[in-house]
Amino acid sequence: DVQLLESGGGLVQPGGSLRLSCLASGFTFSNSVMGWVRQAPGKRLEWVSVISADGRTAFYADYVKGRFTFSRDNSVDTLYLQMNSLRAEDTAVYYCVKELAGSGWAFDSWGQGTLVTVST
Amino acid sequence: EIVLTQSPGTLSLSPGDRAALSCRASQSLSNNYLTWYQQKAGQAPRLLIYGASSRASGIPDRFSGSGSGTDFTLTISRLEPEDVAVYYCQHLGTGLTFGGGTRVEIK
Repeated sequence: DVQLLESGGGLVQPGGSLRLSCLASGFTFSNSVMGWVRQAPGKRLEWVSVISADGRTAFYADYVKGRFTFSRDNSVDTLYLQMNSLRAEDTAVYYCVKELAGSGWAFDSWGQGTLVTVST
Repeated sequence: EIVLTQSPGTLSLSPGDRAALSCRASQSLSNNYLTWYQQKAGQAPRLLIYGASSRASGIPDRFSGSGSGTDFTLTISRLEPEDVAVYYCQHLGTGLTFGGGTRVEIK
């Protein structure tokens, strides 16, 4: 079974940094496009970033571009989301997601989510 | 950037009813990368439909997707109590956008 296990969430002050990790198992990680999707409390889903299978190309939503960096280590089946200059509006549950191959970023597997709270 | 508007905001139906959820795009989609998810309370979303009309693995056949251009529909042919959830549409264009969701309730 596909498993995506996020970690690294927590409380951070505005302007601070946090690094999320996602450990993947149950599928060929190095062949899969992966991403992060977030959801603020009571709000709609919102994409954050998507990375190619080989890790060479990452795409970012405008509201995180220049502040977040998405990377992956295919040798340990792990994703990383480095989040800098955090703002209150970044408060959300962050989900690690796997793309259904060739589907145009339809995500067929989701982690349980990790909560990031940006507050004083 | 394309905006996706979902309607109605809330749908309240009886078990066995047919549910039609709308997702309208602010401009005609240049591809068929229109996806539907189901999110139950306290859970992560689940993929239902991709490519506007292809059912994801393990999804019951009472769920179906249709549409093209600017108008897309998720249909639940016979509503069951376990279908209570919020349903989101999503499109990949120049970026990835989600609709605001439709909440399905059982009367």
